Amino acid sequence: QVQLEESGPGLVKPSGTLSLTCAVSGGSISSSNWWNWVRQSPGKGLEWIGEIYHSGSTNYNPSLKSRVTISVDKSKNQFSLKLNSVTAADTAVYYCAQLGDNFLDVWGQGTTVTVS
Amino acid sequence: DIVMTQTPLSSPVTLGQPASISCRSSQSLVYNDGNTYLSWLQQRPGQPPRLLIYKIYNRFSGVPDRFSGSGAGTDFTLKISRVEAEDVGIYYCMQTLQFPYTFGQGTKLEIK
Repeated sequence: QVQLEESGPGLVKPSGTLSLTCAVSGGSISSSNWWNWVRQSPGKGLEWIGEIYHSGSTNYNPSLKSRVTISVDKSKNQFSLKLNSVTAADTAVYYCAQLGDNFLDVWGQGTTVTVS
Repeated sequence: DIVMTQTPLSSPVTLGQPASISCRSSQSLVYNDGNTYLSWLQQRPGQPPRLLIYKIYNRFSGVPDRFSGSGAGTDFTLKISRVEAEDVGIYYCMQTLQFPYTFGQGTKLEIK
């Protein structure tokens, strides 16, 4: 059973870069799944950030596209998120998730990132 | 973007009674392959979202059969036949037909 675990700094300064990693265990990142990032701002709903395939192909939310980079490291079985020029509005819980057959079927526990 | 609109936003329910949540999309979620890319997620307090239902009515592994999904095109419903205490949380519909993937605002299920 695939498990996902997010890691990264919990505090980022305004105008800085948010960097998170999602480690994949119990399965291969080279499987036929897309690997996603979703965030949830305090007291708010869910926002899709983007996704990556093991080949390196990506899809991003246009609302964040100019600031987001998602990458994959097959040797470490993990994928990463970078969000630059952050503001307080980027404060959120960030989740990584597996997209299997067009639904998000496995989620990490989430990691809280505060911009301050 | 496809807008997902859920009703109600809050649903107080008595234990053992049914509950129903509606989700409407701003455009059809039917893909060329005939599948409809609408799923339902549950988020219990302090937990990450969890997949309940995919492609309208398919229960994900381990999901109790008191949860059921229905609908077509742009109108969808999640039903809980008999609410249990562990069902408290926020329920989201989500579309994965088109980028960007989008979620409903969430419906908070609470016990009366």
